[in-house]
Amino acid sequence: GAGVSQSPRYKVAKRGQDVALRCDPISGHVSLFWYQQALGQGPEFLTYFQNEAQLDKSGLPSDRFFAERPEGSVSTLKIQRTQQEDSAVYLCASRPAGTAPGDTQYFGPGTRLTVL
Amino acid sequence: AQSVTQLGSHVSVSEGALVLLRCNYSSSVPPYLFWYVQYPNQGLQLLLKYTSAATLVKGINGFEAEFKKSETSFHLTKPSAHMSDAAEYFCAVGSGKDDKIIFGKGTRLHILP
Repeated sequence: GAGVSQSPRYKVAKRGQDVALRCDPISGHVSLFWYQQALGQGPEFLTYFQNEAQLDKSGLPSDRFFAERPEGSVSTLKIQRTQQEDSAVYLCASRPAGTAPGDTQYFGPGTRLTVL
Repeated sequence: AQSVTQLGSHVSVSEGALVLLRCNYSSSVPPYLFWYVQYPNQGLQLLLKYTSAATLVKGINGFEAEFKKSETSFHLTKPSAHMSDAAEYFCAVGSGKDDKIIFGKGTRLHILP
């Protein structure tokens, strides 16, 4: 079946612009995660949804970062007033219902954001 | 808090040689240990997962990993490297206490012809 999809795959923004990154999880997966992967680093947790509820946003680096999942399926990660340090790959992952916290997450291809 | 350390940011092996990628986790035994692989411009693909059912875990593409509690290790091995194994490999833990996966910094595997 279809995996996690993300769009756009590549995004170039000028410093100060707002960007919106989209994630379509695997159908039926209730848990959705966003991670940030800086160049040469491992992914780092940003935020987590269960259905439409944002249960953990402890990894969001600043109040310029905002995520939503209003209908419990598609999610959008928004970054306002982008800065050069926001340049990274943003990964989305989902986990099926009935699996335990911390169990396998299935990742999308990521969106590579470059802020000039 | 859980943490993961991967020894060696780059590892080079000859085609056909043994692959060994090292991973150590923090002292408390996590419910889940993972190895993920990332090919260029792609997302993370699960190679294998440890869940305490067995200490030797077999994954896809001929990879396996052994959980050793005494050494707090979960090293990844493959008996014979193939050119297609060239990628970035991430060791990760799922604590089960909060719903996030903690990743190591990754090891880039280079295969020499």
